[in-house]
Amino acid sequence: DADVTQTPRNRITKTGKRIMLECSQTKGHDRMYWYRQDPGLGLRLIYYSFDVKDINKGEISDGYSVSRQAQAKFSLSLESAIPNQTALYFCATSGFTGGIYNEQFFGPGTRLTVL
Amino acid sequence: LAKTTQPISMDSYEGQEVNITCSHNNIATNDYITWYQQFPSQGPRFIIQGYKTKVTNEVASLFIPADRKSSTLSLPRVSLSDTAVYYCLVGDENFNKFYFGSGTKLNVKP
Repeated sequence: DADVTQTPRNRITKTGKRIMLECSQTKGHDRMYWYRQDPGLGLRLIYYSFDVKDINKGEISDGYSVSRQAQAKFSLSLESAIPNQTALYFCATSGFTGGIYNEQFFGPGTRLTVL
Repeated sequence: LAKTTQPISMDSYEGQEVNITCSHNNIATNDYITWYQQFPSQGPRFIIQGYKTKVTNEVASLFIPADRKSSTLSLPRVSLSDTAVYYCLVGDENFNKFYFGSGTKLNVKP
């Protein structure tokens, strides 16, 4: 089974709808992240969480919210989806290994289309 | 957070060695350099990390000069399956934030 899973894998929704993307991990990592990727561009950080009670905004948090329900679960919500939020969304985790947080592990991604 | 500059794209042929250079002029004393690989529609995958001089693993080598203002990812004898986007990241030991930038799109031709 995959260490980092995302649901759904694909989603089509309409403008104004609320949508939640979910991420679960079995790696036992304390840190979790949400990124979005637009075609031909790199990843941009939306939110990140160092533990259940520590949540931080990233580069592009406007229009998004998150919830860290447990160490293993980190959800991303779009309260009122708009077309320019159409993108590929990735969840990632990292843990303290060898003295540093040196590696992120990514989920398979969720392709979101907002009509 | 030290940002990085990489070439937008590179072409190579199967069997060749590929070197991708990343510039990080504002790197801090505590910063490490990390490289990731991303295939289309997949999340990035960690390749290698280093602090200074040279690091080698089963996939790649990372060369870092003494001033650490740049680094070079070296991929030996590339194959078609190495066609991907390669990202250079810089961060301290806590890696509080990961800035991926736009990466370098490597196209390996037969």
